[in-house]
Amino acid sequence: EAGVTQSPTHLIKTRGQQATLRCSPISGHTSVYWYQQALGLGLQFLLWYDEGEERNRGNFPPRFSGRQFPNYSSELNVNALELEDSALYLCASSLRPADTQYFGPGTRLTVL
Amino acid sequence: DAKTTQPTSMDCAEGRAANLPCNHSTISGNEYVYWYRQIHSQGPQYIIHGLKNNETNEMASLIITEDRKSSTLILPHATLRDTAVYYCIVTGTGNTGKLIFGQGTTLQVKP
Repeated sequence: EAGVTQSPTHLIKTRGQQATLRCSPISGHTSVYWYQQALGLGLQFLLWYDEGEERNRGNFPPRFSGRQFPNYSSELNVNALELEDSALYLCASSLRPADTQYFGPGTRLTVL
Repeated sequence: DAKTTQPTSMDCAEGRAANLPCNHSTISGNEYVYWYRQIHSQGPQYIIHGLKNNETNEMASLIITEDRKSSTLILPHATLRDTAVYYCIVTGTGNTGKLIFGQGTTLQVKP
């Protein structure tokens, strides 16, 4: 069974640009979660999607947004990139809400 | 803030059991204890979880005290590949979808 996949593996952008990160959950999983792990910091919860709807949001500005598609895959969009947005962005999925979350390998975003 | 307290770091000899403690004195009756680990710059890997009974799977054992205020993750025969940051997380109430990661315990397995 394939795990959570994320693309791209690495992404380099400049300040002010937009970044789009993609996540495919484990087959059959309906919930997708996004986390940010900045260098030297812990994992911070960003967003939770279930059945195409945003269910919860972490303490991040509105320029962090996303969506979940009918096939349950998800996109994370970061607008007006700032240097401090450089981080590892992790996606996780669960079979149902509140079930065990399984993480993907992450996308390393570097903002220059 | 994380609801758990873990030692910052621990060492373990290869082949020996690694016992990682976690305090969660404010845990609620319907909250689970989850353990994940993160090997350098990779996504966190799920290890095991439990509510009140001890649990065992192919990776590890989880021992939860009777009052549920603390738990221990046991890796029975640690290998060098078990070197990682181990996170103990309490979750379950409110269905927020949010896992709160603390600083975790950095386990160094030494030959």
